[in-house]
Amino acid sequence: GIQVEQSPPDLILQEGANSTLRCNFSDSVNNLQWFHQNPWGQLINLFYIPSGTKQNGRLSATTVATERYSLLYISSSQTTDSGVYFCAVDLNSGNTPLVFGKGTRLSVIA
Amino acid sequence: NAGVTQTPKFQVLKTGQSMTLQCAQDMNHEYMSWYRQDPGMGLRLIHYSVGAGITDQGEVPNGYNVSRSTTEDFPLRLLSAAPSQTSVYFCASSYSRTSSRYNEQFFGPGTRLTVL
Repeated sequence: GIQVEQSPPDLILQEGANSTLRCNFSDSVNNLQWFHQNPWGQLINLFYIPSGTKQNGRLSATTVATERYSLLYISSSQTTDSGVYFCAVDLNSGNTPLVFGKGTRLSVIA
Repeated sequence: NAGVTQTPKFQVLKTGQSMTLQCAQDMNHEYMSWYRQDPGMGLRLIHYSVGAGITDQGEVPNGYNVSRSTTEDFPLRLLSAAPSQTSVYFCASSYSRTSSRYNEQFFGPGTRLTVL
């Protein structure tokens, strides 16, 4: 099956710093989403981005589908950005289930 | 819209007991699914449904049953709970095939299950 690898597995940032999270996937995909799981366990949709670039406030994401990777940028990080960031994809074959990476655990310290 | 709702939020079972985790959505989504999340791992798919009356197995289906009698509801049944089923369970749904973002998924708040 499709493999989804995220890096780095853990990241510690000082408040105000910028960061880039990476997601590599092993096959062509129909869907790619980035989620933030906050410390209370809630999964929050960040981006639906099978290709191209999107921005939402301090967060932006880029997916290069032909090279099978996606990047999530966090600028001017805040303590509320802490949590686990997941990348998830589904295969380029219609309405198929999401396959998740193992996530990047981000800790932003004041 | 309430979005995707799950009940209960927490549950403790004894080995061998059965129970049903409830999931409902009010967005008229065709696609619904159940995932489990274990420490240090991403989410893994248990079962999914592409519409009422249709279900299929995911990556880790053993020990779980599902049914989809209505578009809104997708309950997950544990037939005989085992300690290995201690996990956090998430339900998700996504837009219908007629939407341009039909495979964008939205998650419920989760059910934390402990099996003793």
